[in-house]
Amino acid sequence: NAGVTQTPKFQVLKTGQSMTLQCAQDMNHNSMYWYRQDPGMGLRLIYYSASEGTTDKGEVPNGYNVSRLNKREFSLRLESAAPSQTSVYFCASSEGVGGAKNTEAFFGQGTRLTVV
Amino acid sequence: QQQVKQSPQSLIVQKGGISIINCAYENTAFDYFPWYQQFPGKGPALLIAIRPDVSEKKEGRFTISFNKSAKQFSLHIMDSQPGDSATYFCAASMDRDDKIIFGKGTRLHILP
Repeated sequence: NAGVTQTPKFQVLKTGQSMTLQCAQDMNHNSMYWYRQDPGMGLRLIYYSASEGTTDKGEVPNGYNVSRLNKREFSLRLESAAPSQTSVYFCASSEGVGGAKNTEAFFGQGTRLTVV
Repeated sequence: QQQVKQSPQSLIVQKGGISIINCAYENTAFDYFPWYQQFPGKGPALLIAIRPDVSEKKEGRFTISFNKSAKQFSLHIMDSQPGDSATYFCAASMDRDDKIIFGKGTRLHILP
């Protein structure tokens, strides 16, 4: 059972470079999320997707774009990386709402990104 | 505006003691309040969760107490063990959308 798989696990970028963080889940979940984790700041929601084809902004969306490619995959793109985007990024998924009750969110192992 | 406020930021407890972490929320539309546990190098994992129709939920040594009128909820870890040393996050969400908003986390250290 893979659960939520994130790639890459580590990445170093130069300021201004672009990259895409990949996330895939094999639990047939409807909802997927991208969070960033910074010391003393907790987990902050960047973007989320309630279903295939829909995406919504979270708390800190500036500087990021997302794509819900299909039900399994949700990618996060940094078009022009900045040092302020140095962080640990987590992808998560949950069964979702759609009239049902909230359920557990499952997290990937994280991507540690450094922008120099 | 921080929608979920968590305290303390860090906590040190003796083995066998009670660890207490508190959270407060702003939005009365929140109707699901989970707690997540995170070990170093790992993603967070669900520990226990509660809905506002009950005031307390217990699972083993872990208990959530919920005070709807005060808009506060807390995690109690009874008989704390060194293996409980981790970062704990409270969170809140609502049925009508899928956003899960987290607190800033509490780093718990249990002294052996």
